[in-house]
Amino acid sequence: QSALTQPASVSGSPGQSITISCAGTSSDIGSFNYVSWYQQHPGKVPKLLIYDVSNRPPGVSFRFSGSKSGITASLTISGLQAEDEADYYCSSYTTSRTGVFGGGTKVTVL
Amino acid sequence: DVQLVESGGGVVRPGGSLRLSCAASGFNIANHGMNWVRQVPGKGLQWVSGIHWNGESTHYVDSVKGRFTISRDTAKNSLYLQMDSLRAEDTALYYCVRDYTYISFDIWGQGTMVTVSS
Repeated sequence: QSALTQPASVSGSPGQSITISCAGTSSDIGSFNYVSWYQQHPGKVPKLLIYDVSNRPPGVSFRFSGSKSGITASLTISGLQAEDEADYYCSSYTTSRTGVFGGGTKVTVL
Repeated sequence: DVQLVESGGGVVRPGGSLRLSCAASGFNIANHGMNWVRQVPGKGLQWVSGIHWNGESTHYVDSVKGRFTISRDTAKNSLYLQMDSLRAEDTALYYCVRDYTYISFDIWGQGTMVTVSS
């Protein structure tokens, strides 16, 4: 049950698009379309942004989009805004019927 | 309002036990998978345990298997985590979370802090 692999940090200027990768294995991301993404601001509770690879829950901005190819999932933030500066985590269901998170990516808006 | 409120955290010595509780309101836990997720302050998230919406299956991360037990009381609309043989590495903020779909969590409690220290 090793953690999914995310880059430690990603940065971009306001208005740009950035992509955060999340690498797993054939036992998690590669086996299911149950990848989720969360946003966590300092001192706050995580917020669900994307579920089932590419679906947005009600109320989540269209600027957040998700995709998957093989054992790697991605979160793209379009039209980067100052409020997007936060930590982002991916998660996946596994063949052991457990969950696994990525190590987290700190997004900095330059 | 849909809400989860955890309680039961605290300071415990290594080898000790704690029982975390999570009171749900605004929805029926019998209709949802429920989980515990933990986070060491300043570090990442870790999925700890989950119970299927039908209450018939439970699952755990390897590091807590045999030591932690997840359960629920649908009459009280509450989720629990019995933690035994606690270790220093179990020190974290423990969140109670609701399944949206498999391992996607749409409702989070504020968390309860567990500190294992001698």
